[in-house]
Amino acid sequence: AQSVTQLDSQVPVFEEAPVELRCNYSSSVSVYLFWYVQYPNQGLQLLLKYLSGSTLVESINGFEAEFNKSQTSFHLRKPSVHISDTAEYFCAVSDRPGNTPLVFGKGTRLSVIA
Amino acid sequence: DVKVTQSSRYLVKRTGEKVFLECVQDMDHENMFWYRQDPGLGLRLIYFSYDVKMKEKGDIPEGYSVSREKKERFSLILESASTNQTSMYLCASSSPTGGAGEQYFGPGTRLTVT
Repeated sequence: AQSVTQLDSQVPVFEEAPVELRCNYSSSVSVYLFWYVQYPNQGLQLLLKYLSGSTLVESINGFEAEFNKSQTSFHLRKPSVHISDTAEYFCAVSDRPGNTPLVFGKGTRLSVIA
Repeated sequence: DVKVTQSSRYLVKRTGEKVFLECVQDMDHENMFWYRQDPGLGLRLIYFSYDVKMKEKGDIPEGYSVSREKKERFSLILESASTNQTSMYLCASSSPTGGAGEQYFGPGTRLTVT
C-alpha cells in the first residue's frame, strides 16, 4: 500500500523568503501525485498535480513541485512567499487512478511571518 | 467548477445522539469519500463509495456508517456520538475517468460532541 511522508509538520518563514515543503512517497511503478492547500476554516483545494510528462509542475499562484522518481519525492517550492500563503499543505498520492482513494500525508503548516 | 457542499459548517451534539452529516456534489461524480481531520493526524478515510448503494470501509470506520441512496448525496451517520468523535469532517468526490482521480472537497463540518 502507498504511504506518504511529509517531513515537516510546521514551517515558519519570513515574507518574501523562499520555501520548500517536503514530501516523500513509498515506491511504486507509476504514481500520480498531488498537493492540496487548506486555508483556515476551509476545505482542501487542489494546488497542483503530476500525472506524467514534465517532472516540474506549476500552480497559478507561483508554487511548483518537482517529481523525482529516484528519490520518490514530490517537494513543493515557492521562490517568494506572501502572507496569504499561510495555510496547511497536504501531499497525496495514487498509484491507480479511478476507484482508489488518495493517500494523504499528515500535512505541513506553513506560517508566513511579516 | 465542481461544487461539494456539506449541510453544516458547525455542529454541536450531545453524547449518545444520532448524528447525520450530509454531503452533496453537483458534478455527477461516481466516487464520494468521508474523512475526519484531527491535528497531527492529517486526513483519515472513514468510508467511501464508488456508486449508488455501494460502500467500502476506509481506515477508521468504527462508530460510523454511511448511506448513498442517490448519486449526488453521501451521508455519514454517527449512530451514537461520543466525545472522541469531536473532529472536522470533510467530504470529497471524484470521477474515475478523466484526470488522475483528483478529489474535490467540501468546506468541512466541525462537529463537537459534549
